Amino acid sequence: AQKVTQAQTEISVVEKEDVTLDCVYETRDTTYYLFWYKQPPSGELVFLIRRNSFDEQNEISGRYSWNFQKSTSSFNFTITASQVVDSAVYFCALSDPRGGGSNYKLTFGKGTLLTVNP
Amino acid sequence: ETGVTQTPRHLVMGMTNKKSLKCEQHLGHNAMYWYKQSAKKPLELMFVYSLEERVENNSVPSRFSPECPNSSHLFLHLHTLQPEDSALYLCASSQERGWNPGELFFGEGSRLTVL
Repeated sequence: AQKVTQAQTEISVVEKEDVTLDCVYETRDTTYYLFWYKQPPSGELVFLIRRNSFDEQNEISGRYSWNFQKSTSSFNFTITASQVVDSAVYFCALSDPRGGGSNYKLTFGKGTLLTVNP
Repeated sequence: ETGVTQTPRHLVMGMTNKKSLKCEQHLGHNAMYWYKQSAKKPLELMFVYSLEERVENNSVPSRFSPECPNSSHLFLHLHTLQPEDSALYLCASSQERGWNPGELFFGEGSRLTVL
């Protein structure tokens, strides 16, 4: 069975601090995708990144960076120089393409509530 | 218009009521989803529709009944709910493209309270 663990329930930082959100996953599949989503107070989840299991290159997008390590089954997310607008719940998710690839199911972690204080 | 629109945003109902949640996507996607988000629990996938056919029913009680009349609209009909069904119900859509799953686009959710 698939599982995603986000051990940090809540994190509170002061603006401009760097913060890392941890994600550890379990799957028996060799092909899978990992995602991060952001849920601001308005409620809708916003897609941040997708990473497939064959691509272990780290990725940077502005202040956001992701560290994918297959050896430790982790896909951590770092926000550099955090801002108040980064305050949200962040979800890590895991999917497995099903036979033929059409339709898939996301397994979400419980989320990490990040609060960035001014 | 926003990509995925859900109505109503808030709903309070008694256990004997019948109500429906509506979702509409304006993104031209071919798959739609219902997720349930309860406090301190992971998001739970309830239903998946691909090309208007239900392809996933994740052991959801029959008091929840989905309907997908076309690729742009998705409903969740609610009947004889329990207080533990109180949650945020999120609709999402995606463009399935074979081996390469697309990202999900979510609506803002319908906050349901069952009294």
